[in-house]
Parts: sequence; C-alpha cells; structure tokens
Amino acid sequence: QLQLVESGGGVAQPGRSLRLSCVASGFSFSAYTMHWVRQAPGKGLEWVSVTSSDGSNKYYADSVKGRFTISRDNSKNTLYLQMNSLRREDTAVYYCARDHAPSITPQSFFAPWGQGTLVIVSS
Amino acid sequence: QSALTQPASVSGSPGQSITISCTGTSSDVGGYKYVSWYQQHPGKAPKLVIYEVSLRPSGVSNRFSGSKSGNTASLTISGLQAEDEADYYCTSYTGSSTLYVFGTGTKVTVL
Repeated sequence: QLQLVESGGGVAQPGRSLRLSCVASGFSFSAYTMHWVRQAPGKGLEWVSVTSSDGSNKYYADSVKGRFTISRDNSKNTLYLQMNSLRREDTAVYYCARDHAPSITPQSFFAPWGQGTLVIVSS
Repeated sequence: QSALTQPASVSGSPGQSITISCTGTSSDVGGYKYVSWYQQHPGKAPKLVIYEVSLRPSGVSNRFSGSKSGNTASLTISGLQAEDEADYYCTSYTGSSTLYVFGTGTKVTVL
C-alpha cells in the first residue's frame, strides 16, 4: 500500500541544522511531485516546500526561503528537507505528502501523508 | 500570504448536517478552482476528503461534499457521525511566492 515514512527529527539548538528524510513505498516515487507541510504544536497546517518529480522545479514558503532546501533521490525513493539556521518558530511536526501529478500545478492536493517527524528547536 | 479564515469550531448532533466555511481572497480561493479539504484526527496525519472544490477521492464517504462561491469555499458533512469528530483544514493555490495556503482550521464536535 502507499506509504510515506519520515525520519530525522529531533532537538536542535537555534542556528543549527537538521536534515529530514521521507522514504516512499507502494507507488512509483519518481512519477510524483512531493511536498513538505508542517504543524506547530497545537497549531494549524503550514505548507513548507514542493519539488517536481524530477527535482528540477522547487518552491518554498516565504517563512523558510533561503534557509531550507528540498531535494529528492529517485533512485532511493527518498525525499529530503535540509533545514539550516533553525529558529524556535520552526518547531513543528513535519509531514511529507505526495501530490497527484509529476509537475507542480495549481491543481495540487496532498495525498497520502506520512505520519510526521517532530522537530524541536530549543537551547 | 495570510492563512485562509475558518471558524474555530462547529458542532452538530448525530445525523445532522454541518457546513464549514473557508474564506480567502480573489488571489487564492476566489481566483482558482483548486480548493482541497483535509480531515485530521488527534495525533494523526491529515487525510484528503475533497479536492478541486467538490471532487471526492475514492474511499471517502459521500456524506462529504464541497462547493465554492466567490472567495469562500465550503465543506458540508451530512448525516454527521461520531467518527467525523476531528479538525478540518482547507487549502488553496495562491499563485504567489508561497504557492499554497492552508486555512486556520475548524474543530468539529459531534454532540
């Protein structure tokens, strides 16, 4: 069945870095656009970043632009999120989610989602 | 890019219908036919229930329906059941540098 499993979360000090991974199974990973979405504790969802199926197109939320980098390794069925210069407000559960198409389009929607990995930024 | 506006909470009795609104602007909800809705139970990942304003994914109950008028999208849950108690979020394409924006979220309580 379709499955996405995130890992790499943990505690990091402000200004430090973390790299999240999302391993996909049960579908042809290289055929789909992939997203990262986050949710601060007790708060709502926030879209973070997207990459097209071949990794050639990438976009970021203004709140993470210049600090976070999305990438993918289609040979390993894995999506990544490199998070640098972490801030306390980056504390959240980070979800990866599949889109329905190979390219980034206005019609995007997110299904399925992984179970999430918790990132805590604290000194 | 500001979050789309949803009511903080909506409640209803079993069997009733409820509607959750999602209000944006002409730059997001009003400008595109690409609103989707997600259900999230406590401690769980979100699940898609409606996409492209009114389309239902395979496996989602036909008690869930969506619509849009102007800058406001709506999710209606008919025949409310205990299992529908959850948080619900809308999202829309924005066409701006932050490509997608979520709603503030609505907690649905089944009385």
